[in-house]
Amino acid sequence: NAGVMQNPRHLVRRRGQEARLRCSPMKGHSHVYWYRQLPEEGLKFMVYLQKENIIDESGMPKERFSAEFPKEGPSILRIQQVVRGDSAAYFCASSLYKGWETQYFGPGTRLLVL
Amino acid sequence: SQELEQSPQSLIVQEGKNLTINCTSSKTLYGLYWYKQKYGEGLIFLMMLQKGGEEKSHEKITAKLDEKKQQSSLHITASQPSHAGIYLCGAQYSGAGSYQLTFGKGTKLSVIP
Repeated sequence: NAGVMQNPRHLVRRRGQEARLRCSPMKGHSHVYWYRQLPEEGLKFMVYLQKENIIDESGMPKERFSAEFPKEGPSILRIQQVVRGDSAAYFCASSLYKGWETQYFGPGTRLLVL
Repeated sequence: SQELEQSPQSLIVQEGKNLTINCTSSKTLYGLYWYKQKYGEGLIFLMMLQKGGEEKSHEKITAKLDEKKQQSSLHITASQPSHAGIYLCGAQYSGAGSYQLTFGKGTKLSVIP
C-alpha cells in the first residue's frame, strides 16, 4: 500500500493519559501535515513538518500537544494528559513538495477520551 | 482565517439524478481541492483547481473554478450509490501559511437506489 498510513485507527484513553498517533507518509514524500476534525466541525490545520523540522505549528494548542518527524520512522503527534475535549479524528496528510502540491490524506486516528 | 462556505450541508438524491455542490470563499483562492470522505474514513483526493475558469472531470464528476477564483462547484452526473459520502472542499490561499488547507464543513450526500 503506497498510501499514507496512520495507526492506530482507533485509540481510547482515560483522562490524564498520553496519546501517541503515528503517521507514515506516502513513499517519497517528506512533507507531513496534521489536521484535527472535531465532532460537527470541519478539518482544522494543526502542524506542518518536514524531516527533523517543525515548519509551522500555528494550529497546535499551546499546551500538551507536540509533533515530530524524525529522520527515520513515522511522524508522531503526541497529546499529553488528554482531556475529553481532545476526542476527535486526527488526520495526517503528506505531499511530495511543500506549498502547492496535493496533500494526500491517511485514514485518520479516532481518539476517544473517557 | 479565511471563511469557506459549502452548500448544501446535506443532499439526498435519487440514483441517476444529477447534483451540484458549491464552495464559496470570502477571498481569492490560490488553489481549491475537492475530497470525498466516506463515513468514518479518510479523505480521498478528487481534483485540484488553480486557474480561473478551469474545469476538470473524472468519470462522472466535474469540478469548476470561476473566473474570479472565489467559487467552485462540483457536479455529479447520473449519481450512483457509490457516490454517497461527505464531499469537502479545501482552499489554499497565497501568502504565509499557504500550505495550510482551510476546509468547508462538508456536504453529506446520500443516494437512494
